[in-house]
Amino acid sequence: GDSVTQMEGPVTLSEEAFLTINCTYTATGYPSLFWYVQYPGEGLQLLLKATKADDKGSNKGFEATYRKETTSFHLEKGSVQVSDSAVYFCALTAMGSGGSYIPTFGRGTSLIVHP
Amino acid sequence: NAGVTQTPKFRVLKTGQSMTLLCAQDMNHEYMYWYRQDPGMGLRLIHYSVGEGTTAKGEVPDGYNVSRLKKQNFLLGLESAAPSQTSVYFCASSYVADTDTQYFGPGTRLTVL
Repeated sequence: GDSVTQMEGPVTLSEEAFLTINCTYTATGYPSLFWYVQYPGEGLQLLLKATKADDKGSNKGFEATYRKETTSFHLEKGSVQVSDSAVYFCALTAMGSGGSYIPTFGRGTSLIVHP
Repeated sequence: NAGVTQTPKFRVLKTGQSMTLLCAQDMNHEYMYWYRQDPGMGLRLIHYSVGEGTTAKGEVPDGYNVSRLKKQNFLLGLESAAPSQTSVYFCASSYVADTDTQYFGPGTRLTVL
């Protein structure tokens, strides 16, 4: 079946450091790829997405590029802030055996940013 | 525009009790999902619905039932709660399934003693 693998956390950085959170996937066909963010005590919210190969999603200084050749969708930010501390989930949607599109999430990566 | 709402926010059950979690969305979305979130496990899909009157099993459906009698509501039922069902439950909805953003509710924290 489909799967998403993220680097394990927590990732601990100082403010203004460069961030990379790795995400690789396995899926049949051409999935859409997403990064969601979860702040403490809240539900998930979309951070960015890319729906076809070589697309770059971006939002709030975060970026990720859909790399079909390496089946990856790594999340990057050039300069993190304390307010970026949260849990980040990589996800995909792909067509399942029943003909419906099924979402699959990674296990999440906790990011802690120190002042 | 409330988005996705979940009721209740917290609940404590005893083993063997039953309960229903309600999810409501006001965005006219076709697709709705129930997930559970456990430490170190990420989000796992329990059941989903591709439209009013339809439901389908996800990755971890055992011990749960769902119904989608109205387009805006998606109910998750536990007929006989077990401690293994202690978790945080999230509902989500989307307009289309393949490329669209999922909008999540705030979650229900369930403890089964």
